[in-house]
Amino acid sequence: EAQVTQNPRYLITVTGKKLTVTCSQNMNHEYMSWYRQDPGLGLRQIYYSMNVEVTDKGDVPEGYKVSRKEKRNFPLILESPSPNQTSLYFCASSSLRQADTQYFGPGTRLTVL
Amino acid sequence: ILNVEQSPQSLHVQEGDSTNFTCSFPSSNFYALHWYRWETAKSPEALFVMTLNGDEKKKGRISATLNTKEGYSYLYIKGSQPEDSATYLCASRGNQGGKLIFGQGTELSVKP
Repeated sequence: EAQVTQNPRYLITVTGKKLTVTCSQNMNHEYMSWYRQDPGLGLRQIYYSMNVEVTDKGDVPEGYKVSRKEKRNFPLILESPSPNQTSLYFCASSSLRQADTQYFGPGTRLTVL
Repeated sequence: ILNVEQSPQSLHVQEGDSTNFTCSFPSSNFYALHWYRWETAKSPEALFVMTLNGDEKKKGRISATLNTKEGYSYLYIKGSQPEDSATYLCASRGNQGGKLIFGQGTELSVKP
């Protein structure tokens, strides 16, 4: 089954404790992206990647890192999480073919105390 | 237009009403326009991907049109039902497959 998976789905952590949210897709997609959703602010892009070893900042990259060492994986790294990074995070992937849609993962609910 | 803009920001309708909303996007270097239906705390669900000027797509009571020359797309819902309540997002991709840029969404509330 074609899918985007994220782990963990829920995480409560404390300020300053490094964490990684994994994202994996099994559709051989070139494009992968991370978003955060906060009440009243819609979907905001954190980072995206057009292919292996190619990453770019989105609209709200501060406090986050990503890597794209393999095509299927696009982990989101919070080196020193802060309470303002408490949010719902979505990973997504798509091919770069014109008529193909973007698929979203199930989301990761992160709380930073 | 440099960004993707959606209007209205929110919409409240009665069950049975038909409704429509707008997505405006950069018309230069247009590649594709996506529509998603998004319920809070769930993943956005793909509705349509549109690529050609004049495209019309339909899925049940929901349909969409595309004008790439002037840079807008309309989403129509015929006979709205309470289960249509959600945020409807559009996203534009340009430059032969570049970054996908999302609008802020239109939040639809359908009252029984």
